[in-house]
Amino acid sequence: QLQLQESGPGLVRTSETLSLTCAVSGASVSDNSHYWAWIRQPPGKGLEWIGAIYYTGSTSYNPSLKTRVAMSVDTSENQFSLRLTSVTAADSGVYFCARRGSYGSGYDYWGQGTLVAVSS
Amino acid sequence: SSELTQPPSVSVSPGQTARIPCSGDKLGNKFTSWYQQKAGRSPVLVIYQDTKRPSGIAERFSASISGNTATLTISGTQPVDEADYYCQAWDSGTMFGGGTRLTVL
Repeated sequence: QLQLQESGPGLVRTSETLSLTCAVSGASVSDNSHYWAWIRQPPGKGLEWIGAIYYTGSTSYNPSLKTRVAMSVDTSENQFSLRLTSVTAADSGVYFCARRGSYGSGYDYWGQGTLVAVSS
Repeated sequence: SSELTQPPSVSVSPGQTARIPCSGDKLGNKFTSWYQQKAGRSPVLVIYQDTKRPSGIAERFSASISGNTATLTISGTQPVDEADYYCQAWDSGTMFGGGTRLTVL
């Protein structure tokens, strides 16, 4: 059974860098038919796509976050990561990692989400 | 920038049919997916590639697309279907609609 598990600090100081990792079990991040993504949800609000990464390291980011986002993949540890720099309170929320297949196939597996608060 | 528009809320009586629209520019040319999210839980994919239902998703969930509007239909709505529903499409990346709260009362 495929599982994704987010991990990282629950509190990040304003202007610092948010770093999260998604550990994948039951599947390989090196699978050439899937992409791995980060999606977030501010408290009481909707879903926002942050970006996605392929096992080769190729990335695609939300244009509104592109200058602050970096994703990486570690095939040896079977995990992928998110870094978001210069965070503000607007970056607070639940961060999900997820998997999607080829174009149009949807995000079929999601992690349970991790709550991140940004505060000074 | 491209956007997907959903009504904030839809109400339906148990056993009736719920329809949740999602509109966006040239949506008919982009694959649409739909997600169900219950309070405090992760989203669940209920429809992908406009009309396909993943294994394990109840047959009462279906979807259609016409022009710039995609519609999620829940036939014979049950109280367990009460949740937030999000549409999602592809346009230089992924975009989500604002979500629709489905109330079954």
